[in-house]
Order: sequence, then C-alpha cells, then structure tokens
Amino acid sequence: GDSVTQMEGPVTLSEEAFLTINCTYTATGYPSLFWYVQYPGEGLQLLLKATKADDKGSNKGFEATYRKETTSFHLEKGSVQVSDSAVYFCALSDPGSARQLTFGSGTQLTVLP
Amino acid sequence: DAGVIQSPRHEVTEMGQEVTLRCKPISGHNSLFWYRQTMMRGLELLIYFNNNVPIDDSGMPEDRFSAKMPNASFSTLKIQPSEPRDSAVYFCASSSGGTDVSYEQYFGPGTRLTVT
Repeated sequence: GDSVTQMEGPVTLSEEAFLTINCTYTATGYPSLFWYVQYPGEGLQLLLKATKADDKGSNKGFEATYRKETTSFHLEKGSVQVSDSAVYFCALSDPGSARQLTFGSGTQLTVLP
Repeated sequence: DAGVIQSPRHEVTEMGQEVTLRCKPISGHNSLFWYRQTMMRGLELLIYFNNNVPIDDSGMPEDRFSAKMPNASFSTLKIQPSEPRDSAVYFCASSSGGTDVSYEQYFGPGTRLTVT
C-alpha cells in the first residue's frame, strides 16, 4: 500500500537558518504530493503541492520538488523565522485512492530567536 | 468563507458516556473526511464521505464509533460508549468535487476529546 516516510523530529533551528525536512514515499500509481503545516492548537493547512514529476511547489518561502526517480518530496526554506515553528506533514494522494490522503508522521520544527 | 466548522472545540467526558462530534464542511464541497490525531498513532483517517455517502470506513476503530452525513452541510461522529483510549484530537476536513487527486483538503480546527 501507499506510505510516506518523514525524517524524525524534533528539529530545532536558529532564526535565519536553512531548513530541510526529508520526505520519501511509496505509491502504486502516480500520486500528487503535499506538504501540510499544523500550528499549535490548529488544524492542518496546505502549505504547497505538486501533481507530477519535476513540478516544484512553493509558498511562503518554502519549496519542494517532486522527484520521481528518488520518490522524494523534500521541504526546504532558505531562512526560517520563529513564526515557522509548527508541525509539518508530508502527504500523498494516489489516483487509485479516490482523493484520500496518506500522511507521514509529522516533523516538529522549533525556530529559536 | 467560514471554513470547516467543528464543535465542540473541547470535550471532557467520563468513560462510558456517549460523545457526539459535529462538523460543517465548506459550502459546495462534496467530500468529507474524519481524522483522529494522537501522539502514538499520528494522523489516522477514520471515514470519508462523497456526496453524503460513506465510501470507506475501514479506519473506524470498532463498533463503538459511528459516523453520519444526513446532508451536504452536516456530519457527526459518535462514540458510544467512550473509553479513555479514545482521547485524541478529532479533525474534520472537506474537499471539492471532481476526480482530480490534487484537490486540497481543508481542515477544521479539531475537537480535543478527553475521556476520564
């Protein structure tokens, strides 16, 4: 079945540091890939998405590129801010799964001033 | 647009009591999802509806859990009887129609359930 593997957290960085959160996936078809963010006490919000190989999703300074050859969708940001502190979830939607999302376990990011 | 609305935001109940969680999806969305989030198990899909019809309830833990969607603007998740291990944050999410798997799911703020 489909699965998403994220790097273990928590991740703690200083403000303006470079961020990478690794995500790899297993899917039977050609999935769409997503990064969701969850701020404390809130629900998940879509951060960015990519629907086919080599697509790059970007939003709020975050980027991720759909790499079919390595089955990866790593999240990056060049300079993190304290306000980026949250839990980040990688997810996929497989065409055979009728719009269901398969989530990774989430990575807690804390950015210190 | 008010987004996905869930109520209550917090629920504390005693073991054995019935609990009902409520969700109002975004107007015009025809897919609705119920998730449970715990530290141990992460985010789990419990059930999802398409056009008010349950499509996949394989994630529902056991017969104590039931979900309904009587119309396009309302859904409930009921636990009866509740147990301490049901303590979690329960999210409702909705998505617009079509067959495009890139459709975004919009999440509500969640209901934090504590069963003592």
